[in-house]
Amino acid sequence: AQTVTQSQPEMSVQEAETVTLSCTYDTSENNYYLFWYKQPPSRQMILVIRQEAYKQQNATENRFSVNFQKAAKSFSLKISDSQLGDTAMYFCAFCSGGSNYKLTFGKGTLLTVNP
Amino acid sequence: NAGVMQNPRHLVRRRGQEARLRCSPMKGHSHVYWYRQLPEEGLKFMVYLQKENIIDESGMPKERFSAEFPKEGPSILRIQQVVRGDSAAYFCASSPKTGFYNEQFFGPGTRLTVL
Repeated sequence: AQTVTQSQPEMSVQEAETVTLSCTYDTSENNYYLFWYKQPPSRQMILVIRQEAYKQQNATENRFSVNFQKAAKSFSLKISDSQLGDTAMYFCAFCSGGSNYKLTFGKGTLLTVNP
Repeated sequence: NAGVMQNPRHLVRRRGQEARLRCSPMKGHSHVYWYRQLPEEGLKFMVYLQKENIIDESGMPKERFSAEFPKEGPSILRIQQVVRGDSAAYFCASSPKTGFYNEQFFGPGTRLTVL
């Protein structure tokens, strides 16, 4: 079974600074997908960024980028120019290429952006 | 285009009662997924349904839990004879098709409290 580990329960960053959230996963598959979801206090889950395992190029979405290290099974999220609205729980998630719909989530990292 | 709707947002039940959680997918979406989030945990997959069909219920507890997605109307997650351990946030997601390239859009969740 796949597992997703987020080793940082909480993190904080100053507004406008850069922060990196860590995620590691365990799988024996070669074809899979990785995601970062944001859950603000409203509890709505919002997709931030996603990465196909077969792509070597790291995904980027505006201020959000990932560092995907397939051999190390590491998938970190970098948030640049942090904004107060980035304060939220961030969940790393894995999806097998076989099922291609069943998301496996980590326990989350609570990010607080301080003014 | 309205997002995924879930109701009620908060539900309180006493032990032994039944809980019915409703999910209306986004317009044009025929695939529905239910996830459960226990306190301080990530979301865990429960069941995947298409109209009138259960595709994958591998994450559903074997007893007391059932789900349906009828031809007309919302998807229903039913929990019979609730126990305190059922207290959690239940999230529904929908997609137009299944697969990685079809993002799962999440609803705001139903927070179930069992007294």
